Amino acid sequence: QKEVEQNSGPLSVPEGAIASLNCTYSDRVSQSFFWYRQYSGKSPELIMSIYSNGDKEDGRFTAQLNKASQYVSLLIRDSQPSDSATYLCAVTLWNAGNMLTFGGGTRLMVKP
Amino acid sequence: NAGVMQNPRHLVRRRGQEARLRCSPMKGHSHVYWYRQLPEEGLKFMVYLQKENIIDESGMPKERFSAEFPKEGPSILRIQQVVRGDSAAYFCASSPWRGASTDTQYFGPGTRLTVL
Repeated sequence: QKEVEQNSGPLSVPEGAIASLNCTYSDRVSQSFFWYRQYSGKSPELIMSIYSNGDKEDGRFTAQLNKASQYVSLLIRDSQPSDSATYLCAVTLWNAGNMLTFGGGTRLMVKP
Repeated sequence: NAGVMQNPRHLVRRRGQEARLRCSPMKGHSHVYWYRQLPEEGLKFMVYLQKENIIDESGMPKERFSAEFPKEGPSILRIQQVVRGDSAAYFCASSPWRGASTDTQYFGPGTRLTVL
């Protein structure tokens, strides 16, 4: 079983819509959760971090964490074509130090 | 405020040669992580270093790969006797000195290694 799972997509949404990206993890005592955005041929860029259950908002982005369900999501409001990228969910596991364990990423396409 | 720096950005080697990848962390960061992204695959952790110490190398292949972060200078990921399967993007990330699992890791631009 993969430790961090994401639907590979592509997830296609029209411009202005809400994009919902999901991630599940297998280690119940995972500690910290991060969303990175990666454009093709580029490096990962941090969007959000979340450590506690609930929602965390930053501009058009909202991260949601539910530790009981082992689920973290990223909502992108008012999606723009420039949001088209691969979104990577990453987790630090309690027994794995500070290393990030990444999901395979979800490719998002925002159509004008 | 410079970010994480990596060089070279692109590196071409023939099978059997050595590859040296360099990483300078963000100013004020003393923790360095190396990740590898194979074509069409996700990012995989390789090694975590602090100055003069390897903290976790559980993701490093047992042979041909080594890493260091000397007291002075950049962190170096060294791949000896490269094979075609080593072709990948190698990313370095750095985080601040606290070393807690909540520390955010910031990624460099990566080195794209091509083995002919």
